[in-house]
Amino acid sequence: AQSVSQHNHHVILSEAASLELGCNYSYGGTVNLFWYVQYPGQHLQLLLKYFSGDPLVKGIKGFEAEFIKSKFSFNLRKPSVQWSDTAEYFCAVNALSGNTPLVFGKGTRLSVIA
Amino acid sequence: DTGVSQNPRHKITKRGQNVTFRCDPISEHNRLYWYRQTLGQGPEFLTYFQNEAQLEKSRLLSDRFSAERPKGSFSTLEIQRTEQGDSAMYLCASSRPGQTGFFGPGTRLTVL
Repeated sequence: AQSVSQHNHHVILSEAASLELGCNYSYGGTVNLFWYVQYPGQHLQLLLKYFSGDPLVKGIKGFEAEFIKSKFSFNLRKPSVQWSDTAEYFCAVNALSGNTPLVFGKGTRLSVIA
Repeated sequence: DTGVSQNPRHKITKRGQNVTFRCDPISEHNRLYWYRQTLGQGPEFLTYFQNEAQLEKSRLLSDRFSAERPKGSFSTLEIQRTEQGDSAMYLCASSRPGQTGFFGPGTRLTVL
């Protein structure tokens, strides 16, 4: 069965600290990978995506993620977080064709404190 | 606003009542998806349409749940005989085939 695991339920960081959120997936085939962000009171927004090519993907707001096929992982990183990065982060996967629904992880809540 | 819209944004109902939610996708997006999100969980896929055809509905949570997209534009999700366990955020997303979906703001359902 397809599944996505996000290792951290809640992460608390101080401003300027570096961030890495883990994501591992289980999927029977080649995949597309996504990170979505949900700011408090707002709807899900795409942060970045990997379809093919360079496994290091850069997204909005200084986020990046690295696809490591051998580890079935797609970890999200940011070198220096800001208070405004406080949000819930969801990793998701679907089939390479893009014609299947997204399977989401449970999410990681990030709290950035001043 | 050219994004995905959902109405109502909040719905409070009593157990046993029927509720219907509406989703208006981004214009010209022929794919439309419904997800459910409960507290502490990621969105869980329910069903999706390509134009007016419902391509997958086996993930609907029970036969109390049904969805339509009669003219291939907006969609409705109906829950009959609501139960307290149906309380959740119901999300809609739309896309072109093979492209990334855009999510709406969701409808928060509370069943008393």
